[in-house]
Amino acid sequence: GAGVSQSPRYKVAKRGQDVALRCDPISGHVSLFWYQQALGQGPEFLTYFQNEAQLDKSGLPSDRFFAERPEGSVSTLKIQRTQQEDSAVYLCASSFRAGVGYGYTFGSGTRLTVV
Amino acid sequence: GENVEQHPSTLSVQEGDSAVIKCTYSDSASNYFPWYKQELGKRPQLIIDIRSNVGEKKDQRIAVTLNKTAKHFSLHITETQPEDSAVYFCAAFSGNTPLVFGKGTRLSVIA
Repeated sequence: GAGVSQSPRYKVAKRGQDVALRCDPISGHVSLFWYQQALGQGPEFLTYFQNEAQLDKSGLPSDRFFAERPEGSVSTLKIQRTQQEDSAVYLCASSFRAGVGYGYTFGSGTRLTVV
Repeated sequence: GENVEQHPSTLSVQEGDSAVIKCTYSDSASNYFPWYKQELGKRPQLIIDIRSNVGEKKDQRIAVTLNKTAKHFSLHITETQPEDSAVYFCAAFSGNTPLVFGKGTRLSVIA
């Protein structure tokens, strides 16, 4: 596609509910990143994939967060038993090159609100 | 790990004036410094970047300068226009860790 596509655009979840956020990167982009952006803050790194391999998940805040990219293209970020502190915009970004030191193209994000 | 500090958090300028946003980083091994612009409710968009082998880069009304010794880099916007109003984020890349972002600067250009 022409850009990084994320769905849903907005998600309201009841506390304790599981959610799944989808990211469709630019076709052919090797690297894929998930970031969490709290209101009024900069994006904070969650996890990084190179093709289907998850090379860095050091930013995932707890074991309730899980990400996958099984075929090296679409990625899903899953949050189990959502808590209010999980409310944020979840941004996906992709990059044509392998490795992390290049400009990213971001998606529009999924705004998650946990009530 | 890398830590990026960004100042100021908010900035108001008159249309036509210049705006400068400054960032400092902690890891002397950092070698890639992009700047992103995020309009309200929209995705962050890369506007300019610089690598550590150059000290300055310019693209029309925007420029970025890098001082490796002092470990800081700055975004300069000249002849500001109302459409420059947005939140600007700096970021730094160090080693094999993904980009670390600053907390952002909300720029308001007053017509």
